[in-house]
Amino acid sequence: ETGVTQTPRHLVMGMTNKKSLKCEQHLGHNAMYWYKQSAKKPLELMFVYSLEERVENNSVPSRFSPECPNSSHLFLHLHTLQPEDSALYLCASSQAGDGIGPQHFGDGTRLSIL
Amino acid sequence: GQNIDQPTEMTATEGAIVQINCTYQTSGFNGLFWYQQHAGEAPTFLSYNVLDGLEEKGRFSSFLSRSKGYSYLLLKELQMKDSASYLCAVTDSNYQLIWGAGTKLIIKP
Repeated sequence: ETGVTQTPRHLVMGMTNKKSLKCEQHLGHNAMYWYKQSAKKPLELMFVYSLEERVENNSVPSRFSPECPNSSHLFLHLHTLQPEDSALYLCASSQAGDGIGPQHFGDGTRLSIL
Repeated sequence: GQNIDQPTEMTATEGAIVQINCTYQTSGFNGLFWYQQHAGEAPTFLSYNVLDGLEEKGRFSSFLSRSKGYSYLLLKELQMKDSASYLCAVTDSNYQLIWGAGTKLIIKP
């Protein structure tokens, strides 16, 4: 098993659909993250969970809804998305959520909104 | 505001040396990371600097000057597989990780 696994790898959806992205980490880490990566832009931190509690939101639109049922799993629920939400969504984990240790990333979900 | 600057794109020749610079303006400093990201793949951790100086790890080295708000990643004996984007990121005083937009490195034979 690779360290951080994301599914699906690719997702195409209409603006009225509801879908979920899944992330699983097998590293025994205590913190998990969702990032949005758009072309030629810095990674945008969306959500941080530390010990299954959300510690950061960064003013993300409510059409993105995270869920962290345990320290190994993280979901991003999507509904009524906009074309500008098309991007690569990366999940990451780290030992702690303190920004000191390195983060380990999944390969991402390439999301396209029609 | 907080900002990290790195060149958008660089080109180098196989077997040569390339230096990718990163300058930062952040509210405080608690460490600087370099990550490598191949197209369509996950970013992978390369190096971490928290004190001034050079950290060497095989063909890759990373340098930090906190007084200048400056770091560079040095890649020696370039190989075609080094073609990738290189991301610089800084942990600020609130332990938030601030990311640069990345430098796309193109290696030519």
